[in-house]
Amino acid sequence: DGGITQSPKYLFRKEGQNVTLSCEQNLNHDAMYWYRQDPGQGLRLIYYSQIVNDFQKGDIAEGYSVSREKKESFPLTVTSAQKNPTAFYLCASSGLGAIIGGNTIYFGEGSWLTVV
Amino acid sequence: GQNIDQPTEMTATEGAIVQINCTYQTSGFNGLFWYQQHAGEAPTFLSYNVLDGLEEKGRFSSFLSRSKGYSYLLLKELQMKDSASYLCAVSRDDKIIFGKGTRLHILP
Repeated sequence: DGGITQSPKYLFRKEGQNVTLSCEQNLNHDAMYWYRQDPGQGLRLIYYSQIVNDFQKGDIAEGYSVSREKKESFPLTVTSAQKNPTAFYLCASSGLGAIIGGNTIYFGEGSWLTVV
Repeated sequence: GQNIDQPTEMTATEGAIVQINCTYQTSGFNGLFWYQQHAGEAPTFLSYNVLDGLEEKGRFSSFLSRSKGYSYLLLKELQMKDSASYLCAVSRDDKIIFGKGTRLHILP
């Protein structure tokens, strides 16, 4: 079945460690996104990419890094520079039509990251 | 969320109607999404408006006024399972930005 796969579902990080969240899609979507959600809050955009080997910072990019070496994959690294990383992380993808024409964006099931 | 405003919480009664409003900055605007999100789960798509007017889809309807930077989501015949957060999201320039969401509580 087509969709977006995020892994791991739950991840614990020690302070000072970098961790990488995986996001893979088989929907042949050009655009991919990473959002962060804190308890009781909305989604805040971390990074997004509209094409392979290119990505842009969202509203809260500090302390995060991404890569887009393949169309299907958009991994997010939470670095030690991110001082408050405990949150729910959502990966999403869309055709470029979502930007201008209204195709919906599809979400993965999310990854819970906790700093211990 | 780049000036996407919606109420933080709302309460309604089972069987009733509720309207959730969303206002946004109009610069670079392409269209507006509504998503439903249950606690601990990913958002699910409800509607997308790009033209002015009302789009009806079963018990849910969404309205858009581009000139006023205003949208609402209308939920009819409320059911307990409608208890969730409702997220307004704007497609602007080359990205999609979400509001903080409205938590809707349904009372029996």
